[in-house]
Amino acid sequence: QSVLTQPPSASGTPGQRVTISCSGSSSNIGTNIANWYQQLSGTAPRLLIYSNSQRPSGVPDRFSGSKSGTSASLAISGLQSEDEADYYCAAWDDILNGPVFGGGTKLTVL
Amino acid sequence: QVQLVESGGGLVKPEGSLRLSCAASGFTFSDYFMSWIRQAPGKGLEWISYISGSGITIYYADSVKGRFTISRDNAQNSLFLQMNSLRAEDTAVYYCARCFPTGEVDFWGQGTLVTVSS
Repeated sequence: QSVLTQPPSASGTPGQRVTISCSGSSSNIGTNIANWYQQLSGTAPRLLIYSNSQRPSGVPDRFSGSKSGTSASLAISGLQSEDEADYYCAAWDDILNGPVFGGGTKLTVL
Repeated sequence: QVQLVESGGGLVKPEGSLRLSCAASGFTFSDYFMSWIRQAPGKGLEWISYISGSGITIYYADSVKGRFTISRDNAQNSLFLQMNSLRAEDTAVYYCARCFPTGEVDFWGQGTLVTVSS
C-alpha cells in the first residue's frame, strides 16, 4: 500500500489529453512539492516534472503538472505512442521523514 | 554529462550479503544527496535510502532499516550500499540516483539486479 495513491492504469488515443492523479495527505503533497517520473519499458525512470509544475530541459511542453491541496496531477496533451509508459509521483513525507513514491500508473496509448 | 554506473548485483542466498557500488561522474559529487531506489520485478519504485553530500544525514526505509547501510566516498566519487541478512523480498533492480531532499531525483543510473534465492 503506497503512501501516495495513483490509479493503476490510464489510457487514451493519439492526440487526446490524459490526466493522471496522485492523492496524498497533509504530511506529504499537502505541504511539500510533488515530482513526476516516466519509466519506459525496460529502462530506468527519468524526471518528468519537478516542483509541482516545472519541466526539466528536454521534456516536451505536452507534459504539465499541477497541485491542489493534497493532490497532484500530471497532464499529457497531444498523446503520442511514445508516451506509453509507467508514471510515478513522489513527494517528501513529514511523518515518515523520507521520500515516498506513488504506486505507479501504466499509461496505454490505444 | 552526469553519469551514474552501478555494479555489484548478482545472485545471493537468503541471509547472505552483497555490496553495491555506484560510480559517479560529470558533477561535483560531494555537493549532492544520493539515493538508492529499488524496483521489484513487475512492481513499483521504492525509495530505500539516501545520504547527504557530507554523509551526516542518512535515511532508511523501514523495510531495510537495520540490515542495509548506505555510505559514500567523496574522494572516489562513489556511493555504496551494504546489504546484509538479505531476503527473497529484497529481489529487485537497485538504482543509484542523484537526488534532493524534496523527493526529486534528477539523474538515475541504469540499475543493477539483485536476486535473493536459494
